[in-house]
Amino acid sequence: GIQVEQSPPDLILQEGANSTLRCNFSDSVNNLQWFHQNPWGQLINLFYIPSGTKQNGRLSATTVATERYSLLYISSSQTTDSGVYFCAVDITGNQFYFGTGTSLTVIP
Amino acid sequence: KAGVTQTPRYLIKTRGQQVTLSCSPISGHRSVSWYQQTPGQGLQFLFEYFSETQRNKGNFPGRFSGRQFSNSRSEMNVSTLELGDSALYLCASSFVGGIYEQYFGPGTRLTVT
Repeated sequence: GIQVEQSPPDLILQEGANSTLRCNFSDSVNNLQWFHQNPWGQLINLFYIPSGTKQNGRLSATTVATERYSLLYISSSQTTDSGVYFCAVDITGNQFYFGTGTSLTVIP
Repeated sequence: KAGVTQTPRYLIKTRGQQVTLSCSPISGHRSVSWYQQTPGQGLQFLFEYFSETQRNKGNFPGRFSGRQFSNSRSEMNVSTLELGDSALYLCASSFVGGIYEQYFGPGTRLTVT
């Protein structure tokens, strides 16, 4: 199956700092989503972004499909941003492959 | 719109027993997918249903099965539970016919003792 790699695996930031999370994938994809998993396990949709750039408040994402990577930018981080961020890709239209995640800790 | 709901939220079972988990998708969503999340293996795809038909299946043993009803609600069943089946089971729904964006439920945390 497709390989999805996320980096860095762990990230510790001071509140107010900016960060960039990366997702590399090994094959062409139909769809790509970024999720934030909260401490209770809920996966929260951040972006649906198979290509291009999107922004939502302090978060933005860019996917360069031809080069098989996506970036998630978090600006002015807050303690509530803590959690695990997952990238998930789909190549068949009905099966997502998840990366191993980036665990983010924002300290006050 | 109400989100994806999963029941029960927590479950403790004994090895050898079987378990059934339920998922109700977002209204209008006809595709339901199931995932297993464990610390060692991460998030892994179990299977996907659309219009009561399994369209895709991940690499899991036959003890894992599922079904979908005419109202798009889905159940998954695990028979002859093993300790390694302890995991967070997540259900996702999506609208088929355009953007295939998945929305996840809160999950069912299964502990096998």
